[in-house]
Amino acid sequence: AQKITQTQPGMFVQEKEAVTLDCTYDTSDQSYGLFWYKQPSSGEMIFLIYQGSYDEQNATEGRYSLNFQKARKSANLVISASQLGDSAMYFCATSRGSTLGRLYFGRGTQLTVWP
Amino acid sequence: EPEVTQTPSHQVTQMGQEVILRCVPISNHLYFYWYRQILGQKVEFLVSFYNNEISEKSEIFDDQFSVERPDGSNFTLKIRSTKLEDSAMYFCASSVLAGGQFFGPGTRLTVL
Repeated sequence: AQKITQTQPGMFVQEKEAVTLDCTYDTSDQSYGLFWYKQPSSGEMIFLIYQGSYDEQNATEGRYSLNFQKARKSANLVISASQLGDSAMYFCATSRGSTLGRLYFGRGTQLTVWP
Repeated sequence: EPEVTQTPSHQVTQMGQEVILRCVPISNHLYFYWYRQILGQKVEFLVSFYNNEISEKSEIFDDQFSVERPDGSNFTLKIRSTKLEDSAMYFCASSVLAGGQFFGPGTRLTVL
């Protein structure tokens, strides 16, 4: 079964600084997807970024980039130029095969951005 | 920008009652999902649905749960006889062939 580990229960960063949120995964599959979601205090789940296991380049979406290190089975999220509105819970997730399968989530990292 | 919608935003029910949670997925999406998140815990998969049938379900999705796509736009989750431990945030999600699963805002279910 897929497993996601997020070892940082909480992270703090100053506004305008970059921050890295750690995620490691465990899978025996050759094909899988990696995802990051943001959950603000209002509760909704916001899709941020996706990386396929066969993608050679790291995924980027605006200020978000996914640092994919396949050999280490890590998929860290990098947020550049943090903003106060980035304060939220961040979940890493993985799927088997394509992006269409069930997502397996980690326990999340609570990010706090301070001015 | 198209989005997944869910109703109601909050449902309070008595233990043993039936509840139906409703979702309208993004219109050109073909794959639909239900997840739940018990307060303070991680998000858990319940069921996925494609081409009018369940494609995968988790061990949580027992006989008390059912899903339906009654028309071309709605996707529902029914809990037949609610238990206290069913209290959670329930998320509907939808996706196309590539890219992420897009989540709705959730329905907070409280079972008393």
